Amino acid sequence: QKEVEQNSGPLSVPEGAIASLNCTYSDRGSQSFFWYRQYSGKSPELIMFIYSNGDKEDGRFTAQLNKASQYVSLLIRDSQPSDSATYLCAVREYNFNKFYFGSGTKLNVKP
Amino acid sequence: GAVVSQHPSRVICKSGTSVKIECRSLDFQATTMFWYRQFPKQSLMLMATSNEGSKATYEQGVEKDKFLINHASLTLSTLTVTSAHPEDSSFYICSARVEGVTNQPQHFGDGTRLSIL
Repeated sequence: QKEVEQNSGPLSVPEGAIASLNCTYSDRGSQSFFWYRQYSGKSPELIMFIYSNGDKEDGRFTAQLNKASQYVSLLIRDSQPSDSATYLCAVREYNFNKFYFGSGTKLNVKP
Repeated sequence: GAVVSQHPSRVICKSGTSVKIECRSLDFQATTMFWYRQFPKQSLMLMATSNEGSKATYEQGVEKDKFLINHASLTLSTLTVTSAHPEDSSFYICSARVEGVTNQPQHFGDGTRLSIL
């Protein structure tokens, strides 16, 4: 089983601050990396994905990938209480359809 | 965007009942779909990979005779929890991705909350 590690949290940040979520993975052959948000009792919804080293920005979200360090992160700028959820990191195997998920980091954004 | 529909959203039934959950890709074809289970406050655990026209591939520790998977068409996979017991109560989620296009994400159904009394 490929490993995807995340700090379970909870990570608490004040409203308007930057939230930083981190993820490491064990398989160097991993191709693509995804961040999902999951509200309690709901299924995950895609926030963004990244597959090249460096940064990728989409609105208030920035994904960062460092394949040499096997590390991917998600930054949320101007955090809002509605961002409070569990954030799942997912890694896709090379040449396979399988996605492996981390255990998720619970984010609390305090008003 | 790609949409995955899952039905039913909630099932409450007695112990010993078999429960069927459907997963449909609404606007794309999927030769492969995935079934996950999630217990409260835990992450998604991949149960099996559903393959259109062939047998499903089960993850280690998942009983294939307990969790029957059928993927009879390019847009429909079903998961049947046979003779369900209270320990099978969980949130079951299916996913699929658009194939033939690089770096496509998994799209999830809305999940099925199964409660066995």
